[in-house]
Amino acid sequence: GAGVSQSPSNKVTEKGKDVELRCDPISGHTALYWYRQRLGQGLEFLIYFQGNSAPDKSGLPSDRFSAERTGESVSTLTIQRTQQEDSAVYLCASSKGQINEQFFGPGTRLTVL
Amino acid sequence: LAKTTQPISMDSYEGQEVNITCSHNNIATNDYITWYQQFPSQGPRFIIQGYKTKVTNEVASLFIPADRKSSTLSLPRVSLSDTAVYYCLVGDIGRYSSASKIIFGSGTRLSIRP
Repeated sequence: GAGVSQSPSNKVTEKGKDVELRCDPISGHTALYWYRQRLGQGLEFLIYFQGNSAPDKSGLPSDRFSAERTGESVSTLTIQRTQQEDSAVYLCASSKGQINEQFFGPGTRLTVL
Repeated sequence: LAKTTQPISMDSYEGQEVNITCSHNNIATNDYITWYQQFPSQGPRFIIQGYKTKVTNEVASLFIPADRKSSTLSLPRVSLSDTAVYYCLVGDIGRYSSASKIIFGSGTRLSIRP
């Protein structure tokens, strides 16, 4: 069956531009997560959705970051006024329930020049 | 806050059993322990999850002592394809009130040699 998909797979942008990253979770998965992974480092949790509700957004690194989710479907992560430090792979995952196995997408590699 | 501590790297040889230990001294009563595997340029992949004692599946075993302050991922008879980064994750996502409670950490980079 279809797994978690993310688009674009790669994004190169100039400093100061806004970018929007998309995640399509596995159908029926109520929970959705966004992570950031810098080169050679571990995963940094950003935000978690249960349905279209985000219980806590404090994992987002700054107010330039925001995320939305439509129902129990697509989610978008928006980074405004991108900075070079935002360069990383952004990973999305979904799961059936709250403690269940997370299924990860392939990630979006963001490069800010 | 259930912070996890793992060795940065480990080396082993094909056919050997590999054990990776994760420390989580502040684990909470409702926390589960989950291990993920990540290959380069891919998202992490679930390996195994447990709450206490021992859990075994087709790819690994997870040993959790009674105090639950550590856990050990055991990979039997590793092959070259087991070369990856392994993450220990502790948490009860269903009751997370703070995003900072979901922590993957830097993981353990496992290298398997012929």
